[in-house]
Amino acid sequence: GAVVSQHPSRVICKSGTSVKIECRSLDFQATTMFWYRQFPKQSLMLMATSNEGSKATYEQGVEKDKFLINHASLTLSTLTVTSAHPEDSSFYICSAREGGLGSPLHFGNGTRLTVT
Amino acid sequence: RKEVEQDPGPFNVPEGATVAFNCTYSNSASQSFFWYRQDCRKEPKLLMSVYSSGNEDGRFTAQLNRASQYISLLIRDSKLSDSATYLCVVNWLGGYNKLIFGAGTRLAVHP
Repeated sequence: GAVVSQHPSRVICKSGTSVKIECRSLDFQATTMFWYRQFPKQSLMLMATSNEGSKATYEQGVEKDKFLINHASLTLSTLTVTSAHPEDSSFYICSAREGGLGSPLHFGNGTRLTVT
Repeated sequence: RKEVEQDPGPFNVPEGATVAFNCTYSNSASQSFFWYRQDCRKEPKLLMSVYSSGNEDGRFTAQLNRASQYISLLIRDSKLSDSATYLCVVNWLGGYNKLIFGAGTRLAVHP
């Protein structure tokens, strides 16, 4: 089945630094990838839709200059959390759809970010 | 009204019980529906897609009611390993395609 790999799985960083998270589709090409964030005991919130070869589409309330998304190839999207703050500490999960609009999402294993 | 609503639970049931979850959605144009399962501190995993005619996968049955805009998940003969949070996911057709997640329903199966 489709596999989405996300790295790193866990990262601790200091306030003010930047963290890059990678999301790869291992056995299929993904023109679109999705980045979600999940705070404890809350639902997944869509942050942005990453489009290969073009700018990402950000959800309302998500700062595009803080959460930089790059989708340079059909198998790789990256999310960079810039100038991280403790309130950015969260579980970040990427996902990709193997097929068309009606197909389900496959998720990466997530990245737990802790900003100290 | 929230885009996708679920009863957060928790549902505490004994092994072998049958349990059902409902999920309502607000966008009548939604076309695709899924149930995902999420274990604590893990990523969601697809449990099953929900088809218009209803579908079954072993102990799990999913139903779609378009008129009332809800989907359901029925779990028969609950196992301890079924303990998890079950997420209702709806394809949102609002300008561009995206999947919206419900907040999830917690299930705890006890011996």
